[in-house]
Amino acid sequence: GQNIDQPTEMTATEGAIVQINCTYQTSGFNGLFWYQQHAGEAPTFLSYNVLDGLEEKGRFSSFLSRSKGYSYLLLKELQMKDSASYLCAVRDRVSSNTGKLIFGQGTTLQVKP
Amino acid sequence: GAGVSQTPSNKVTEKGKYVELRCDPISGHTALYWYRQSLGQGPEFLIYFQGTGAADDSGLPNDRFFAVRPEGSVSTLKIQRTERGDSAVYLCASSPDRDRARYNEQFFGPGTRLTVL
Repeated sequence: GQNIDQPTEMTATEGAIVQINCTYQTSGFNGLFWYQQHAGEAPTFLSYNVLDGLEEKGRFSSFLSRSKGYSYLLLKELQMKDSASYLCAVRDRVSSNTGKLIFGQGTTLQVKP
Repeated sequence: GAGVSQTPSNKVTEKGKYVELRCDPISGHTALYWYRQSLGQGPEFLIYFQGTGAADDSGLPNDRFFAVRPEGSVSTLKIQRTERGDSAVYLCASSPDRDRARYNEQFFGPGTRLTVL
C-alpha cells in the first residue's frame, strides 16, 4: 500500500530555521513534491525532487533520500507569513502515467514572533 | 494570467440533494485533476482528465460521484444523493499537458467548500 507520514503540527520562531520531515512507502517512486497551503487557499508548488540530494530555492530547500524513503523541507529565516500547512506528495510508479499526486496529511507550521 | 477558478466557493446543501461543482482550468491546459480535502488532511485524488476523456477515475469513492469535461476545458464534478460524509473542500488542478504534469506544473484552484447538513 501507500503511506506518507509527516508531523501534524510544528511551531518555530520568526527568523529561525525549521525542518519538516516526510517519510513515504509507495509502490515504486517517480518524484516527491512539497506544496504550501495557507488556510482557505489553494496549495501552491514549492519544490520537486526525483533524484537524491538537496534542491535549494531561496529560503526554501528540499532534500530527498530514495533509499530511505525520506524527504525534508527546510525553511530558513522564517517569516510570519510562512505560517501555513506544508504538504508532502509523491508520485508512485502507477500514478506516474497520469500525474496524480498522493498527499500526506500535511504539517501545520505556526511561526511565532 | 488567470489561474484555476472554481465555483461556487461555498456550497451548503441538505442530505440527499444533488450538487454540481465547476472548475475552469488555466486556458490551454489539457490535464485536469479533481481532489477532495477533508479537514486536517491532505488532498485525496478523485479523477484525472486528459482532454475530454477521464483517463483515471480510480479515486471516485462510489457511483454517486461523476465528472465530465465535454469540451476539454471546463469540468463539472457531480454528486448525487449527497451524504454528510461528502462534506469537504473539493480542489481542482490543471497542468499544461500530461508529460509536464509529471514534474512540477500542477496548478490548484482555491476549492469549493461543500457542507452537507
